[in-house]
Amino acid sequence: KAGVTQTPRYLIKTRGQQVTLSCSPISGHRSVSWYQQTPGQGLQFLFEYFSETQRNKGNFPGRFSGRQFSNSRSEMNVSTLELGDSALYLCASSPGTGGIAGTDTQYFGPGTRLTVL
Amino acid sequence: GEDVEQSLFLSVREGDSSVINCTYTDSSSTYLYWYKQEPGAGLQLLTYIFSNMDMKQDQRLTVLLNKKDKHLSLRIADTQTGDSAIYFCADPRDMGRRALTFGSGTRLQVQP
Repeated sequence: KAGVTQTPRYLIKTRGQQVTLSCSPISGHRSVSWYQQTPGQGLQFLFEYFSETQRNKGNFPGRFSGRQFSNSRSEMNVSTLELGDSALYLCASSPGTGGIAGTDTQYFGPGTRLTVL
Repeated sequence: GEDVEQSLFLSVREGDSSVINCTYTDSSSTYLYWYKQEPGAGLQLLTYIFSNMDMKQDQRLTVLLNKKDKHLSLRIADTQTGDSAIYFCADPRDMGRRALTFGSGTRLQVQP
């Protein structure tokens, strides 16, 4: 099975712009989660989508949003970019059905490195 | 304090064993994960352990869980230079156990 893929891998934007990142989950996985990784804050949960609905949301401002399509692919959007949004954005997929321990193990993609100038 | 804590740095010689430690605060954790991150890469799932287990072995990796002390460790036997990376322990403690809380990561440096 192909792993989680993310595009683009690298992105440079300027303050005030907006950006859209894309994530394709492992085939058959219905849950997609997004995480932000920065040197200062470490890895932080942004949100999770399941069956085209946002199921969980972390503590990030409304400038951070996302969506999921019927094929489980997900996009994340950041509007009005700030310098502090520079980070590695990681997407993770899981079956999403929960229940039996281990079935919701999250598998990560390579990430998108966003630099805001 | 942090929900998941790890020491920041570990240096070992090639061929030695490495032990990376993690403490967590959520006593209701059902399973805990170890991920590996190489420079410029995403997170690679190494292994996980259920809360009803004390130990799990997977080739060169051994995970030990002490629920009483809320302590988790990852032992890498015969450490190789390719094991140099940052290792994260993670606890799916939030949002119906769907949001991982990560430790700060332990940077493992393997000296040849």
